[in-house]
Amino acid sequence: NAGVTQTPKFQVLKTGQSMTLQCAQDMNHNSMYWYRQDPGMGLRLIYYSASEGTTDKGEVPNGYNVSRLNKREFSLRLESAAPSQTSVYFCASSEGPGELFFGEGSRLTVL
Amino acid sequence: GENVEQHPSTLSVQEGDSAVIKCTYSDSASNYFPWYKQELGKRPQLIIDIRSNVGEKKDQRIAVTLNKTAKHFSLHITETQPEDSAVYFCAASWRSQGNLIFGKGTKLSVKP
Repeated sequence: NAGVTQTPKFQVLKTGQSMTLQCAQDMNHNSMYWYRQDPGMGLRLIYYSASEGTTDKGEVPNGYNVSRLNKREFSLRLESAAPSQTSVYFCASSEGPGELFFGEGSRLTVL
Repeated sequence: GENVEQHPSTLSVQEGDSAVIKCTYSDSASNYFPWYKQELGKRPQLIIDIRSNVGEKKDQRIAVTLNKTAKHFSLHITETQPEDSAVYFCAASWRSQGNLIFGKGTKLSVKP
């Protein structure tokens, strides 16, 4: 089992460009999440999807959109990237209230 | 919304000593409190968790205690080893779907 797979692992964007981070899990989990990690700030929840067909805002949703494509896939889109969105992004999944299984992370730099 | 405070932000101990990291949370409805360990360049991984109906849980050298009245919980690592060096994050559940709000992390350094 691959667990949670994120792509791409690294990306450099210019201010104003758009991109989508892809995430897929093979554990048949209902819930999926996107977090960002910045130095000294811990992990902050951007968006989550409690089940297929639903999405909701987390702590820091501004500047992002998400799509729960099916039970396996949950994508994060930056429509117009800003330098403040330079971060490491983690996708995670869980079966309800319990252990989060994280992907390896995607390092995004916005110039 | 939920707010999780974590202290200290850095902690340095000698090998064999104990390490304690403390967290407080704001939402009295929180009922799940996990701890994650993140090694440099790696993803966070669960090391221990506790639910609100339990006051203490142990797993070998690691223990977690929970005081729901005071809204705080702590991670205790005994007989620390160099491989315990990492960043540790506490978290508390938020809303009913299992979302976790994380503290800002504690960088633990264990000196040989």
